[in-house]
This record gives sequence, C-alpha cells and structure tokens, in this order.
Amino acid sequence: EPEVTQTPSHQVTQMGQEVILRCVPISNHLYFYWYRQILGQKVEFLVSFYNNEISEKSEIFDDQFSVERPDGSNFTLKIRSTKLEDSAMYFCASSEDRSGYTFGSGTRLTVV
Amino acid sequence: QKEVEQDPGPLSVPEGAIVSLNCTYSNSAFQYFMWYRQYSRKGPELLMYTYSSGNKEDGRFTAQVDKSSKYISLFIRDSQPSDSATYLCATTDSWGKLQFGAGTQVVVTP
Repeated sequence: EPEVTQTPSHQVTQMGQEVILRCVPISNHLYFYWYRQILGQKVEFLVSFYNNEISEKSEIFDDQFSVERPDGSNFTLKIRSTKLEDSAMYFCASSEDRSGYTFGSGTRLTVV
Repeated sequence: QKEVEQDPGPLSVPEGAIVSLNCTYSNSAFQYFMWYRQYSRKGPELLMYTYSSGNKEDGRFTAQVDKSSKYISLFIRDSQPSDSATYLCATTDSWGKLQFGAGTQVVVTP
C-alpha cells in the first residue's frame, strides 16, 4: 500500500538552529500538508500546499516556517531559529482530492 | 468554542465488547468526517471516511454522522486488545484543512 515517508524519524537540534524536515508524499497525490502534535496535545494544522504554492496556513505558521517542493517527489518543512516550544511530532500528509488524507509516521523534533 | 470536541478518555473495555466513541463539531461548513487511529508516537492512520449523514460500515467498524446535531460516532464491534490506541475524529471543510478532536484513548483488556 502506498505510504508517506518522513525523514528523519527523530531530530535533536539546539535552540536557534535551523532544521529541515523531509517528506515524500504518495506519488499521485496533489495536496500536501504539515501538521504538528505537541506531546499530550491534539494534532494541529500548520500549512497546506497545492500547485506549488501555499493554499492555507495557520496562525502557528509564521515567518519562522517555510515549505518547499524542491523537486517532483519531496516536500520539506523548514524551521528557522528553532525554539524550545517547537519540540513536537511533525506529520506530513498527502491527499489525492482533499479527503482521505494519508499521514506519515512523523518526525520527532526535540529542541534543546 | 473548540471546533471539534472529543472526550479524551481513557475508555477501558473488556475484549469482545463494543467500543463507542463520539465527537461534536461546531462549524456547519464541515463536510467530510474521518476517524483516525494513532498508536503511541506514530502518525494517524485513516480508519473511516464519510461525507454524508448516516452510517458507513467497514468490517468491525461503523462510522455514524448526524449533521443536524453535528455529532459523529465510531463503533468498534468485537473489540480486540490490538484495538488499544488513541482514536481521533477529524473534520474538514471544502478547503481540506483537517480539524482534529483531542483523541480518545481506548484500552481493550484481555
């Protein structure tokens, strides 16, 4: 069964550093998303991406964050100048038609 | 007011019992309704997806949507210890952004 692949599975970074989280969505999907889940809290929407541009972003997704689809397969989330409160599980998801989203296994980001 | 409300549990049931989970939502614009299962430190896994009011069945799982009361339910029949997980309800409007409930932790005891 097709799956969304995320790397790395766990990333530890120092506060103030930049991190790039990587995702390979399902190949025929057109809509891409990043969500995050702080430990013990609900899954929160960050950003959606379609046709090589951001279609919607949450208030969490400020100038510290950016997304890119650098080639035909990868979808990345960059977090500049990380803060302690950025520690969370980050999930990439993709969808063929904005329903039935498939999530990756996530990247656990720990900012120290 | 939270857009999607879900009791976090935990909900403990004996093996073989029916698990009953529910959520309420506030926004009438929500059109699609999903249930995800999430194991610890893993990504949400889609269980059921439905668009209209009514019931949808898939094996041991039944999803129910009542748009008039903005209420969605998931029933798991003949529950197994392997069903122990956190179950997340989620909804979306036409733009596709998912709104999740807090998740209900389910424990099925042998």
